[in-house]
Amino acid sequence: EPEVTQTPSHQVTQMGQEVILRCVPISNHLYFYWYRQILGQKVEFLVSFYNNEISEKSEIFDDQFSVERPDGSNFTLKIRSTKLEDSAMYFCATPDWGYGYTFGSGTRLTVV
Amino acid sequence: SQQGEEDPQALSIQEGENATMNCSYKTSINNLQWYRQNSGRGLVHLILIRSNEREKHSGRLRVTLDTSKKSSSLLITASRAADTASYFCATYNAGNMLTFGGGTRLMVKP
Repeated sequence: EPEVTQTPSHQVTQMGQEVILRCVPISNHLYFYWYRQILGQKVEFLVSFYNNEISEKSEIFDDQFSVERPDGSNFTLKIRSTKLEDSAMYFCATPDWGYGYTFGSGTRLTVV
Repeated sequence: SQQGEEDPQALSIQEGENATMNCSYKTSINNLQWYRQNSGRGLVHLILIRSNEREKHSGRLRVTLDTSKKSSSLLITASRAADTASYFCATYNAGNMLTFGGGTRLMVKP
């Protein structure tokens, strides 16, 4: 079964540092999404990315966030200067139209 | 506005019993999806029901959708301890994004 792979599974970073979260989506999929889930809270939409451009973004996705597809396969989420409140699980996902989304296993980001 | 709010927030049942979770939403949708999340893990897609469908089955899962009431329910029959997880409904609309509810934490006691 196709998988979405995320690395690292867990990252601890100092406040103010930059982090890059990586995702390898299902091949040949053009739509990608990033979501985050603060511990114990709901899953929140961050950004959608289609054909190498941002398609939609939420209020959470401010200037500290950016997404790229640097090499045609990997898909990255960068947080430039992390804050304590950025601590969360970050998930990437690709849609399988009509059958739901396939989510990666997530990256747990801890900002200290 | 919040979309996809689940009820109850937590549910504890004995193995073999049925578990029913409800979801309400506010805006029009293309489809509604249910996901499962084991503690600290990723989201696993369970079932999708389109806006023109009223009921759908998949194994021990039964999902209903009432667009007039903007609500959906997920029924898990003959629950097992392995069904212990959080269950989320998510609505998909013309904005091409999924919007999740707060989830129901289900505990199935052996």
